Amino acid sequence: IAGITQAPTSQILAAGRRMTLRCTQDMRHNAMYWYRQDLGLGLRLIHYSNTAGTTGKGEVPDGYSVSRANTDDFPLTLASAVPSQTSVYFCASSDVDSGANVLTFGAGSRLTVL
Amino acid sequence: AQSVTQLDSHVSVSEGTPVLLRCNYSSSYSPSLFWYVQHPNKGLQLLLKYTSAATLVKGINGFEAEFKKSETSFHLTKPSAHMSDAAEYFCVVSVPSGTYKYIFGTGTRLKVLA
Repeated sequence: IAGITQAPTSQILAAGRRMTLRCTQDMRHNAMYWYRQDLGLGLRLIHYSNTAGTTGKGEVPDGYSVSRANTDDFPLTLASAVPSQTSVYFCASSDVDSGANVLTFGAGSRLTVL
Repeated sequence: AQSVTQLDSHVSVSEGTPVLLRCNYSSSYSPSLFWYVQHPNKGLQLLLKYTSAATLVKGINGFEAEFKKSETSFHLTKPSAHMSDAAEYFCVVSVPSGTYKYIFGTGTRLKVLA
């Protein structure tokens, strides 16, 4: 089934540990995004990538890094996790070139930092 | 600057009665507008989108929304609520900004009473 796969689904992590959230899409979309969702705040953009090899900072990038080595994969890394990074993380993609500009979302990764 | 305001954080309706979820936007550009739905512990799913064609947009599951430029509104409606409509709904505006930039409202939680 075409779409976005995120892993892990859920993770509990000790503060200070490094964590990578994985995101893979099979739709050949050029743009990919990472959002965090927190109660009462909606979704906030962490990082994005317009195309393979390029990345950009979103609204809340501090403490996070991304890479886009190829079209399909867009991992999000927390170098040293802190409790304020407890959240639900969503990866999304869009096919900008087609003009459709519709965001397709993964099922999310729930991260708890203790 | 672009922004999205969802006027109600919570809406409760009885099953079989109409649903109205309100969204106002602000945009310097001609925007694309979307409504997404999120069921508990799930990712976001596209309900409908407006991209400068017909101002009345029909989506999935009987939902529709009307783009009113003079009122800068994009309210979501459904004639008759079903129990399965209970979820969180997000209004989103998209503007071209290098890539497309998506701005999310803070969400409206819809409760459907039996």
